[in-house]
Amino acid sequence: GAVVSQHPSRVICKSGTSVKIECRSLDFQATTMFWYRQFPKQSLMLMATSNEGSKATYEQGVEKDKFLINHASLTLSTLTVTSAHPEDSSFYICSVLAGGSYEQYFGPGTRLTVT
Amino acid sequence: DQQVKQNSPSLSVQEGRISILNCDYTNSMFDYFLWYKKYPAEGPTFLISISSIKDKNEDGRFTVFLNKSAKHLSLHIVPSQPGDSAVYFCAASAGSNYQLIWGAGTKLIIKP
Repeated sequence: GAVVSQHPSRVICKSGTSVKIECRSLDFQATTMFWYRQFPKQSLMLMATSNEGSKATYEQGVEKDKFLINHASLTLSTLTVTSAHPEDSSFYICSVLAGGSYEQYFGPGTRLTVT
Repeated sequence: DQQVKQNSPSLSVQEGRISILNCDYTNSMFDYFLWYKKYPAEGPTFLISISSIKDKNEDGRFTVFLNKSAKHLSLHIVPSQPGDSAVYFCAASAGSNYQLIWGAGTKLIIKP
C-alpha cells in the first residue's frame, strides 16, 4: 500500500491562531486525498475530499472557511485550521486513495491541542 | 442514521483462539467493504477488503465473510495474537466518489 506521512505529529497552539497540517504521499501520486478527524473513543469523521488541482469538497457541517484545504500537487495536501478554538482540539488524519480501488491508506495522524 | 454498525464496542479473546468481529449495514447500494485496524494515536491500517460480488476473502490469518442477504459481514482472525489487540473498523463504499462510511469500531483485546 501507499506510504503516507503527516506533519506535525503533535501541535499545541493558542486560541485564535492558525495551524497547518501537511499530508504527503511518499510513494504514490494521489489525485484524491481525504481529511478526517477523530474524537476520543469515536469513529472517524470525514471532513472533506481533497482533489488535486481543484477545490476540496466539504462534508455537511464542516466550515470550509475554517478548515482550509489545499491540494496543490499529487503528493501534498494541507489542512489549515484557522482561528483555532479549544473545541477544534482533535486527532486529524489524512488518507490517500489508491488508484482504481476503494482502499485508502492513512497517515499517522496529527494531534492538535488548542489552549 | 448509522449506515454501518458495529454493535460490539469491545471483544475479549484468548490468545490462539479465533476472533470474530461483526459489522452490519443498511444501505444495499454498498458494493465494497473494508476492515481497518487502528492503534491509539495512529492512523488506521488497511487489513482486508471484499467486493459485493464475493462472499469470502482470505489473507493469511484474516478472513472476511460477506452475507449480502443479511447485510452482514464479519472478520475472522485465527489464531489471535497479542499484537492483534487494537480497534477494528468496518467501512463500506458505494458509488464513484470512493468515500468510506465507517462503523464505530470494536476494541479487540487478546488475553495471554
